[in-house]
Amino acid sequence: GQQLNQSPQSMFIQEGEDVSMNCTSSSIFNTWLWYKQDPGEGPVLLIALYKAGELTSNGRLTAQFGITRKDSFLNISASIPSDVGIYFCAGQCFASNYQLIWGAGTKLIIKP
Amino acid sequence: GAGVSQSPSNKVTEKGKDVELRCDPISGHTALYWYRQSLGQGLEFLIYFQGNSAPDKSGLPSDRFSAERTGGSVSTLTIQRTQQEDSAVYLCAARDRGRDGYTFGSGTRLTVV
Repeated sequence: GQQLNQSPQSMFIQEGEDVSMNCTSSSIFNTWLWYKQDPGEGPVLLIALYKAGELTSNGRLTAQFGITRKDSFLNISASIPSDVGIYFCAGQCFASNYQLIWGAGTKLIIKP
Repeated sequence: GAGVSQSPSNKVTEKGKDVELRCDPISGHTALYWYRQSLGQGLEFLIYFQGNSAPDKSGLPSDRFSAERTGGSVSTLTIQRTQQEDSAVYLCAARDRGRDGYTFGSGTRLTVV
């Protein structure tokens, strides 16, 4: 089925570094969502974006809804060990009855 | 309850056996989704329930998979004649009407040996 292109697939970073990941789609979305999944848990919503061009922050996290409605990025500043996990983007359009289209995930690993 | 509860958290079964996975969603959340996540992979949509409407079964991989939702609340995902490729984490998510975010359970890790 339809899927978002999420990159990178994985990231190996040093603690304290900034992180950036993004998602692109051939389709227009009305909503972009970013989730984080810790090991052994289900994904948890981090940030929701509702307007093209919108830039939203949640602590050290910043996400933007692309102006074309076909992309979004998530930045994490000054990474810490608890940032480790898998980050998923998800897009939604009104025609889909609120169903989400998911990216394949970005696995974040912090090098000791 | 406050969150989405899934049981069991882990299930090991022999190939060919049937299994039932349970999801107890947040009270009042009308939409319920089942996803499958293979090791290190993304989320694979399986089935979607919305209120009293007919479920969207378009993601079920074969006729060995079925799900029901009783009374608009608890849902059961059944896998018949399990195969080794069915081994994965099965996640349930609930959504409140008109809201965008899903609340996920912790999943059931199914291992078929």
